[in-house]
Amino acid sequence: KQEVTQIPAALSVPEGENLVLNCSFTDSAIYNLQWFRQDPGKGLTSLLLIQSSQREQTSGRLNASLDKSSGRSTLYIAASQPGDSATYLCAATPTIKAAGNKLTFGGGTRVLVKP
Amino acid sequence: DTAVSQTPKYLVTQMGNDKSIKCEQNLGHDTMYWYKQDSKKFLKIMFSYNNKELIINETVPNRFSPKSPDKAHLNLHINSLELGDSAVYFCASSQNLATEEYFGPGTRLTVL
Repeated sequence: KQEVTQIPAALSVPEGENLVLNCSFTDSAIYNLQWFRQDPGKGLTSLLLIQSSQREQTSGRLNASLDKSSGRSTLYIAASQPGDSATYLCAATPTIKAAGNKLTFGGGTRVLVKP
Repeated sequence: DTAVSQTPKYLVTQMGNDKSIKCEQNLGHDTMYWYKQDSKKFLKIMFSYNNKELIINETVPNRFSPKSPDKAHLNLHINSLELGDSAVYFCASSQNLATEEYFGPGTRLTVL
């Protein structure tokens, strides 16, 4: 059964510093991996989706890498801003679309960017 | 225009009541989902519908019954609400099982 872990659970950085968020998964048989952002009391916003055949995806200041062999994905946020403060979640989609096997979420990393 | 919408946003009710949460997506997606986010913020899938057919049914009490009248709607009906049902329920949709999922704003259910 897939398990997704995000460490640390919380992270605080000064504005301008680069953010590095880690995600690890136990089953490397994934179809894709998705990164989300969740603001307090709000829904989830999809940030990046990396297909299993890809090594990384980029969108503006965000860059996500995927290493299936080691079961890791990393989200980099360059030159952090206070508006980046949120909880970031990663989720893995398995290759086997069996009943009960869809997005498995990590516990999230709560990020605070201090002005 | 909101891509995935849910109503109501907040729902406060007494134990034992029956309630429904509605979800609509205007993205033309074939697949819709219900997720539950508990007090520890863990998100877990509950149900998935593809072209109005149930394809994923996680281990949830049968007090929870999803209904999909058409591809754009997936409603969640909950009977005999219990305290432990208090959580935030998210609806999501994707073009198919393998593509990016888009989430609604969530419905915060509080059972007293």
